[in-house]
Amino acid sequence: GESVGLHLPTLSVQEGDNSIINCAYSNSASDYFIWYKQESGKGPQFIIDIRSNMDKRQGQRVTVLLNKTVKHLSLQIAATQPGDSAVYFCAENQAGTALIFGKGTTLSVSS
Amino acid sequence: GAVVSQHPSWVICKSGTSVKIECRSLDFQATTMFWYRQFPKQSLMLMATSNEGSKATYEQGVEKDKFLINHASLTLSTLTVTSAHPEDSSFYICSAPSGGAANEQFFGPGTRLTVL
Repeated sequence: GESVGLHLPTLSVQEGDNSIINCAYSNSASDYFIWYKQESGKGPQFIIDIRSNMDKRQGQRVTVLLNKTVKHLSLQIAATQPGDSAVYFCAENQAGTALIFGKGTTLSVSS
Repeated sequence: GAVVSQHPSWVICKSGTSVKIECRSLDFQATTMFWYRQFPKQSLMLMATSNEGSKATYEQGVEKDKFLINHASLTLSTLTVTSAHPEDSSFYICSAPSGGAANEQFFGPGTRLTVL
């Protein structure tokens, strides 16, 4: 079964707001975590990743936080835009193994 | 970054027919590829791990005789859905790891299968 889950299935925000999407994982042996964005009818699109030896990583408008103590992962999107509307998945794995995906959070951005 | 392609991007077939989906790594070699299935409004679920030169490894609940996987070369894995039925209609996505000890994986664009 899935070892990665999400706290909320949907998130609605206003354009310009900051969005926070959360994820819980259960496999303490996982050493790599990724956030993907998936638009309707398309494959997952890489957003940002983080390794278990880090607790924060920043990209362009996105930040991933990893709390290994409570096995929690979050994705922060700054100044959310309508184009950010999609389903967001967290995923985890160990080197060379398949990714295990969480259930997904639908982000809806209204202008 | 590395590119993974899938063909076809969508297919509609009659119940009882077989459908082959190709997954190719375009600019790198992949001794392992992963096949996922995604039903509407659900997450990606791992079906099987395709291994070049050896048998695929299937996840629990996935019928190996129904979902035939052939890793023909270091750049090609195929998934054949045999005797397809409407309940097999789904979005099939493959991925390939970047290799070595790295964790990064590259996903194909997916294949939408509709069985009538």
